[in-house]
Amino acid sequence: NAGVMQNPRHLVRRRGQEARLRCSPMKGHSHVYWYRQLPEEGLKFMVYLQKENIIDESGMPKERFSAEFPKEGPSILRIQQVVRGDSAAYFCASSPLRGDTEAFFGQGTRLTVV
Amino acid sequence: DAKTTQPTSMDCAEGRAANLPCNHSTISGNEYVYWYRQIHSQGPQYIIHGLKNNETNEMASLIITEDRKSSTLILPHATLRDTAVYYCIVRVVSSGSARQLTFGSGTQLTVLP
Repeated sequence: NAGVMQNPRHLVRRRGQEARLRCSPMKGHSHVYWYRQLPEEGLKFMVYLQKENIIDESGMPKERFSAEFPKEGPSILRIQQVVRGDSAAYFCASSPLRGDTEAFFGQGTRLTVV
Repeated sequence: DAKTTQPTSMDCAEGRAANLPCNHSTISGNEYVYWYRQIHSQGPQYIIHGLKNNETNEMASLIITEDRKSSTLILPHATLRDTAVYYCIVRVVSSGSARQLTFGSGTQLTVLP
């Protein structure tokens, strides 16, 4: 059973470009969470999705950021018109439908905006 | 979710038990205690979780006080590879849904040779 897969592992974008980060949850998991970790800071929750639904996006910046978890395929975190301050590690976690279990994290995507 | 308080840092000698405390005095009845760790530059790793009973797995033991206001994570024989930031998190869980994990600052555990 493969773990949570994130790709790419490293992503470099110029200011103003778009960044697309992908997360394939573990098999059988229907909950996906995205977190951001700025350099030398802790993990901050961004968004919680179930298949085709955004459950909680209270941690998402109001502009330029969006997330989806379609019926088929990976979850996507999209950042439009990236700025230097978006440089961070972005982690995805997944958990199964049954809520009282652990969430498993991927190895993250390290976004660098130049 | 209830807030947690952890020491900023701890040291432990290799081969000895590491005991990491966590206070969660405002925990409510439907909140579980979870422990995760993050080794430098890696994704957080689940360690253990519990509701009110003590729990043990291949990685660690979790001791929760009877009033549930605090807990201790025990790594029985710490190794250098256990050096990481350890996060104690309380998380609301209900049928079919699980709130996100709210990470605090955690405890930086350094295992010394």
